[in-house]
Amino acid sequence: EDQVTQSPEALRLQEGESSSLNCSYTVSGLRGLFWYRQDPGKGPEFLFTLYSAGEEKEKERLKATLTKKESFLHITAPKPEDSATYLCAVQAADNTGKLIFGQGTTLQVKP
Amino acid sequence: NAGVMQNPRHLVRRRGQEARLRCSPMKGHSHVYWYRQLPEEGLKFMVYLQKENIIDESGMPKERFSAEFPKEGPSILRIQQVVRGDSAAYFCASSDGSGPLEAFFGQGTRLTVV
Repeated sequence: EDQVTQSPEALRLQEGESSSLNCSYTVSGLRGLFWYRQDPGKGPEFLFTLYSAGEEKEKERLKATLTKKESFLHITAPKPEDSATYLCAVQAADNTGKLIFGQGTTLQVKP
Repeated sequence: NAGVMQNPRHLVRRRGQEARLRCSPMKGHSHVYWYRQLPEEGLKFMVYLQKENIIDESGMPKERFSAEFPKEGPSILRIQQVVRGDSAAYFCASSDGSGPLEAFFGQGTRLTVV
């Protein structure tokens, strides 16, 4: 069964304290792995798509990496405005397009 | 460039009533996906539609729930005879369907059943 597990569930950082969020996945052939950011009361906001092991993508203080079993979202020198829930999702190669989401990591960055 | 539009943003229904949630995809997108986010749970896939076709409804409850995406107009998620357990945030996403999926989400409809 296709599955996505994110850790930790919650993470509290001081402003400027870099860290990483983990997304472990089991999928019958990976078509794509996706990272989203979700603020309270809002819809998920697309961040990155990764397609193959070894791929990396960056956007401002965020960097996403991918291996055959997991993805990391690295946050460098975070700011309070980076506080949000970060969602990881996968699309299996043999499905029609649906995304399977993890439970998310809720990040709080204190000034 | 208008994003995915969902309405209403908030919907309150009494038990036994019907709820209709609407989703207008991004311009140029012909693929629509509905997800449900229960309190303290992750996003769960419900249904995938293209214009006038249901492609995958494997995540839809067998009873009371239906979805459509007509040739003209928004996609509709319909919940008949709502129960308290239907209270959740319902999100719609759309894509152009080309290559690996990159879906853009709307702001959601928060359904409360009283």
